[in-house]
Amino acid sequence: GAGVSQSPSNKVTEKGKDVELRCDPISGHTALYWYRQSLGQGLEFLIYFQGNSAPDKSGLPSDRFSAERTGGSVSTLTIQRTQQEDSAVYLCASSTLQGPFSGYTFGSGTRLTVV
Amino acid sequence: SQQGEEDPQALSIQEGENATMNCSYKTSINNLQWYRQNSGRGLVHLILIRSNEREKHSGRLRVTLDTSKKSSSLLITASRAADTASYFCATVPSSGSARQLTFGSGTQLTVLP
Repeated sequence: GAGVSQSPSNKVTEKGKDVELRCDPISGHTALYWYRQSLGQGLEFLIYFQGNSAPDKSGLPSDRFSAERTGGSVSTLTIQRTQQEDSAVYLCASSTLQGPFSGYTFGSGTRLTVV
Repeated sequence: SQQGEEDPQALSIQEGENATMNCSYKTSINNLQWYRQNSGRGLVHLILIRSNEREKHSGRLRVTLDTSKKSSSLLITASRAADTASYFCATVPSSGSARQLTFGSGTQLTVLP
């Protein structure tokens, strides 16, 4: 597509439920990144996919968080047994292999609220 | 942890004035990038400056980089109400396998009409 698409744009869930957030990157972009932004804060790196390489999961805050990228395109971030501190905007970005040296393209994010 | 720290955290100016935001970082970098975020949603890439560059311009934007002080500044000249947004610096390390950007905490800029 023309840009990075994220869905849903907003999600309200009850504490303890599982949620899935979706990211559809720009066609042809081999790199995909997930970040989390808590209210009024900067972006916290979560996970990075590059082609068929093993993902860099070093930013995932707990084992309740997982992500996969199927067919080198769409990615799903799953949060199990959600907690109130998981409330944040989850941002996805994609880039070419040269992304770190040219810039990322971000989606509009999913605002997750855990009640 | 945050690599970059922006200063000030918030800035309010009149339309037509210049806005200057600063960013400090901790480790050696390959490049530093500035992004804008409107209404807490997606970020837009503004400009990238490499470690061997000292100054770069793009339209009304001017970025400087001082690697000896591990700092950068973003200047927006002749500001407009539409420039109201949060501005983040982000760095790519010069060594290691990490390829992801590390973002600072941002400066909230308000341009008053």
